Amino acid sequence: QKEVEQNSGPLSVPEGAIASLNCTYSDRGSQSFFWYRQYSGKSPELIMSIYSNGDKEDGRFTAQLNKASQYVSLLIRDSQPSDSATYLCAVRGSSNTGKLIFGQGTTLQVKP
Amino acid sequence: DAGITQSPRYKITETGRQVTLMCHQTWSHSYMFWYRQDLGHGLRLIYYSAAADITDKGEVPDGYVVSRSKTENFPLTLESATRSQTSVYFCASSPDRGGRGYTFGSGTRLTVV
Repeated sequence: QKEVEQNSGPLSVPEGAIASLNCTYSDRGSQSFFWYRQYSGKSPELIMSIYSNGDKEDGRFTAQLNKASQYVSLLIRDSQPSDSATYLCAVRGSSNTGKLIFGQGTTLQVKP
Repeated sequence: DAGITQSPRYKITETGRQVTLMCHQTWSHSYMFWYRQDLGHGLRLIYYSAAADITDKGEVPDGYVVSRSKTENFPLTLESATRSQTSVYFCASSPDRGGRGYTFGSGTRLTVV
């Protein structure tokens, strides 16, 4: 079992729809969770962080965390073609070494 | 320029040659990291550093060497490049133990022929 798992996609949604991206992790002691966006040929960019159970909203983005189910999700409301990118889930495990473990990423395509 | 910069952006080298990828950050972040990104494998940690003169192996350290004599610099050296080291390399930094996530450099695309 991989430490952080994501469906590689591609996930295709029409413009204006809600895109839902999911991530599961194996280290039950993990404390910090992040979503990065990576455009083709570019470096990952941090867009959301979440540390406690529940929802965290920032503009059109909502991160959701359920530690009991070891599940993190990212919702993108009113999806735009400019949201088309690969979304990477990252988890800081319980070892407290500072290392983030990344999932392989989900490619999102928003069609006009 | 403020931020985290990597050089070169692109590099082509021959098998067996030594090559060094540079990473420089201006924030005085304690933690620095080197990842490689390959199709089918995602981002994999090569080495990381918690402070100057403190480095440790990540998931895929074989064939790589790092040093950190100054807080702001974290070079990655491929001692004898192999074709399997063809990849995109990202450097990242963090002010703490990753609690606020990392900031990535723009990457180096390395091709070993």
